[in-house]
Amino acid sequence: DAEITQSPRHKITETGRQVTLACHQTWNHNNMFWYRQDLGHGLRLIHYSYGVQDTNKGEVSDGYSVSRSNTEDLPLTLESAASSQTSVYFCASSKGQGLGYTFGSGTRLTVV
Amino acid sequence: AQSVTQPDIHITVSEGASLELRCNYSYGATPYLFWYVQSPGQGLQLLLKYFSGDTLVQGIKGFEAEFKRSQSSFNLRKPSVHWSDAAEYFCAVGAGNTDKLIFGTGTRLQVFP
Repeated sequence: DAEITQSPRHKITETGRQVTLACHQTWNHNNMFWYRQDLGHGLRLIHYSYGVQDTNKGEVSDGYSVSRSNTEDLPLTLESAASSQTSVYFCASSKGQGLGYTFGSGTRLTVV
Repeated sequence: AQSVTQPDIHITVSEGASLELRCNYSYGATPYLFWYVQSPGQGLQLLLKYFSGDTLVQGIKGFEAEFKRSQSSFNLRKPSVHWSDAAEYFCAVGAGNTDKLIFGTGTRLQVFP
């Protein structure tokens, strides 16, 4: 069965370190998204991609970057982790506009 | 700019009671509207969506939602709640020529036996 997987599920890192969160989907979806979930804020869009070599900034992109070298993967990199980036991160993919997202199970990141 | 408001942060109902979760959106044209459910420690699962056509949409797990353009609302309903429905519910809106979704802040549903 097709799926979308995120790794790791949990991570603790130190302030200033570079961190990469993985997202891999086997749905063959062109559209992929990264959101962060924080209490009181719901889900906020960090970055998104509509295909290979395409990346775009979302509403909270500062301090984050993504790359899209193939259809299946959209890794999220925190350039220099900050305590404000402690959050739960969700990756999602979509077949197209208006069809809805399939979400991964999330990565809980703690920056100490 | 698009926005979504879920006025109720936390709702408590008894098992077997009816449920309505509110969602209001802001967008000039006809939006795409979604409801997602999130169980503790899990990702979000799509319950239902409105794209066009019939304004009353049916979803999984016995949920339905009605798009009311005049009220800019897309409220989620269920006639009889089960204990397993306890979760967090998110409304989301998308529009235009983009696949980006804007999510509300969520409503946590608690179900008492």
